[in-house]
Amino acid sequence: QKEVEQNSGPLSVPEGAIASLNCTYSDRGSQSFFWYRQYSGKSPELIMFIYSNGDKEDGRFTAQLNKASQYVSLLIRDSQPSDSATYLCAVIKDTGRRALTFGSGTRLQVQP
Amino acid sequence: DAEITQSPRHKITETGRQVTLACHQTWNHNNMFWYRQDLGHGLRLIHYSYGVHDTNKGEVSDGYSVSRSNTEDLPLTLESAASSQTSVYFCASSRDRANTQYFGPGTRLTVL
Repeated sequence: QKEVEQNSGPLSVPEGAIASLNCTYSDRGSQSFFWYRQYSGKSPELIMFIYSNGDKEDGRFTAQLNKASQYVSLLIRDSQPSDSATYLCAVIKDTGRRALTFGSGTRLQVQP
Repeated sequence: DAEITQSPRHKITETGRQVTLACHQTWNHNNMFWYRQDLGHGLRLIHYSYGVHDTNKGEVSDGYSVSRSNTEDLPLTLESAASSQTSVYFCASSRDRANTQYFGPGTRLTVL
């Protein structure tokens, strides 16, 4: 079992729709959760982070965390073609180490 | 503006050669990280550092080394390059326990 699992996709949604990206993690002690966006050939860029159970909203993006079920999700409202990218879920495990453990990413395609 | 840079951006080398990839950040961040990204594996941690003269091994550290002589730089050295080390390498840094990591533009390394 991978430590951080994501569906590789591609997830295809029409422009204007809500895209829902999901991630599960195996280490129950994980404390910090991050969503990065990566365009082809580019470096990951931070979208959001979340530490507490519940929802966190930032513009068109909402991160949702459920520690009991060990999943974190990212919702993108009013999806745009420019949102087409690979979305990487990352966690910091409760080991005192500050490095990220990444999932393999979900490729999102927003169809015009 | 503060930033994180990597050099070279592209490198082709031969098996057995020593290669050093540079990473430089001007944010004065304590924490620095090296990851490699390969298809199907996502980003994997090679080495990391919490401060000057501190270095730690990540999940895929064999064949790599780092040194931290100042806050700004964390060079990654491949002691004897192997074809299995053909990959895209990303450097990242973070300020503190907030743990938000910011990535450099990456170095594409090809070992022939």
